[in-house]
Amino acid sequence: DTGVSQNPRHKITKRGQNVTFRCDPISEHNRLYWYRQTLGQGPEFLTYFQNEAQLEKSRLLSDRFSAERPKGSFSTLEIQRTEQGDSAMYLCASSPLGRSPYQPQHFGDGTRLSIL
Amino acid sequence: QKEVEQNSGPLSVPEGAIASLNCTYSDRGSQSFFWYRQYSGKSPELIMSIYSNGDKEDGRFTAQLNKASQYVSLLIRDSQPSDSATYLCAVKSNSGYALNFGKGTSLLVTP
Repeated sequence: DTGVSQNPRHKITKRGQNVTFRCDPISEHNRLYWYRQTLGQGPEFLTYFQNEAQLEKSRLLSDRFSAERPKGSFSTLEIQRTEQGDSAMYLCASSPLGRSPYQPQHFGDGTRLSIL
Repeated sequence: QKEVEQNSGPLSVPEGAIASLNCTYSDRGSQSFFWYRQYSGKSPELIMSIYSNGDKEDGRFTAQLNKASQYVSLLIRDSQPSDSATYLCAVKSNSGYALNFGKGTSLLVTP
């Protein structure tokens, strides 16, 4: 169990540019989540995948945001035409697909995005 | 709006004391409850989960759940300076897949 892996750890970009983040979940974890966290706040849910299917999206996820999990393994989160307000820590979490609804989510180290 | 409320703190306790962290939630359909610890600049780390009313103990940590009062708490016994961190309460409802987080309580354990 190598944990949830996220790349890159840090991303600095100019306003208006596109950025893409990658998340590799814990192996055999079918469920994958993206969250965003700003300073002084708890993580806010963005989207959820079960295998390759995107089953839930938050209203926070504007048209500029898109997430994929093409083969049910790693996932990417892309932000197009970045804005200052996109500056945040983007966290990925995964959990196993068990029969119990109580499976806890395990977080990666996150990608910190800074928009200049 | 499904809300999770925590006192932001900082909560300061002396080393060796019991730290008590509290959380209330608005969604009565909530099923499962988690406490995460987050050090500055790091990601949240799961420390406790609780699903049934009552207490659940794990080492120095005790989680308490009262669904009727929509209240969950975390007790840390024999607090250590290494426990200094932000503690996030997270709640999952019986609909949807997301965790709803509070803003976190900052805990400072002084030597």
